[in-house]
Amino acid sequence: EAGVTQFPSHSVIEKGQTVTLRCDPISGHDNLYWYRRVMGKEIKFLLHFVKESKQDESGMPNNRFLAERTGGTYSTLKVQPAELEDSGVYFCASSQADYNEQFFGPGTRLTVL
Amino acid sequence: GQNIDQPTEMTATEGAIVQINCTYQTSGFNGLFWYQQHAGEAPTFLSYNVLDGLEEKGRFSSFLSRSKGYSYLLLKELQMKDSASYLCAVRDGGYSTLTFGKGTMLLVSP
Repeated sequence: EAGVTQFPSHSVIEKGQTVTLRCDPISGHDNLYWYRRVMGKEIKFLLHFVKESKQDESGMPNNRFLAERTGGTYSTLKVQPAELEDSGVYFCASSQADYNEQFFGPGTRLTVL
Repeated sequence: GQNIDQPTEMTATEGAIVQINCTYQTSGFNGLFWYQQHAGEAPTFLSYNVLDGLEEKGRFSSFLSRSKGYSYLLLKELQMKDSASYLCAVRDGGYSTLTFGKGTMLLVSP
């Protein structure tokens, strides 16, 4: 069974540009989560989808971040325009039910110059 | 809010036993998770505790005391491949999202 996959693995962009990250959860997992780890800090929650609906987006930093999960399968996280402080590793995780363990993807390392 | 503390680094010798502690202060509690993360890879689920006591899974065990806000991960018969970051994460009472500690970097030497 394939695990959670994320694309790209690395992205280097300049301040002001737009970047879109993609996450493919494990097939059949209705719950999809986005997390972020900024250098030197802990992994922090951004957003939780149940199928295509946003269950909890309390962790989204500001309105430059837009997450979507059309069709309830893969999800995208767009940052527009990117700022220096957006640099970090963005993790996606999925779970079958919201009380199950979450399976993480390898992350996308975003560097904003 | 949530506060989760764990040591930044630990070192141990191959074949030994190591205990990684985690303390938490949370507004709610619905389970504590331990993940292992090798550099550049995905965090991998190790264990889950929601009731007090010890959960054993092969060389790895995890303990929870809810009254003390305390957990530990016990790794036995350490192997070189156990060198990794170990993340303690708490699930809040009303939500399924996880709040993580900063992780403990474990270095296993020969």
